[in-house]
Amino acid sequence: EAGVAQSPRYKIIEKRQSVAFWCNPISGHATLYWYQQILGQGPKLLIQFQNNGVVDDSQLPKDRFSAERLKGVDSTLKIQPAKLEDSAVYLCASSPLRRLATGGELFFGEGSRLTVL
Amino acid sequence: DAKTTQPNSMESNEEEPVHLPCNHSTISGTDYIHWYRQLPSQGPEYVIHGLTSNVNNRMASLAIAEDRKSSTLILHRATLRDAAVYYCILIMEYGNKLVFGAGTILRVKS
Repeated sequence: EAGVAQSPRYKIIEKRQSVAFWCNPISGHATLYWYQQILGQGPKLLIQFQNNGVVDDSQLPKDRFSAERLKGVDSTLKIQPAKLEDSAVYLCASSPLRRLATGGELFFGEGSRLTVL
Repeated sequence: DAKTTQPNSMESNEEEPVHLPCNHSTISGTDYIHWYRQLPSQGPEYVIHGLTSNVNNRMASLAIAEDRKSSTLILHRATLRDAAVYYCILIMEYGNKLVFGAGTILRVKS
């Protein structure tokens, strides 16, 4: 079974430029998550989709970050304009179940590492 | 989400058992205890989860205290490949997201 695919793996940009990350979840997974992981910290949830609807985007900096999940499959996370503090690994995850607590699990991609100079 | 407390780092010798502790004194009766780990340069991966009883799977065992205020992830024979950051996470019964703390960095010595 193919895992969660993310691209690009690495991206270096200047501050104030824009960048986009793409995620293809495991086939059939209804729930998709984007996490931001700053070096030395645990991942922080940015946004959660259920099919193509947003469930939670309370921690997404909406003045510069946007995300969409068209047709309930692939997703794109965009940053515009980027700041130095956006340097991090952006992780995409998907899950087949709504009740994560009782037996579901999140499947993560390898992440996209962003460096903002 | 209820808070968990884990040691910043631990060290183990290869082929020996490892006990990774997690304190969650404010856990509620319907919070499930999940463990994930993150190998270097990879996304986190699921390890094990439980509610009240001890659990075993092919990767590890989870021992849950009787009062549920703490739990321990047990790796029975650590290998170099087990060197990772281990996260203890509480998820509400109907919750559907993972809230990560800083985790425990496990170093395995050969």
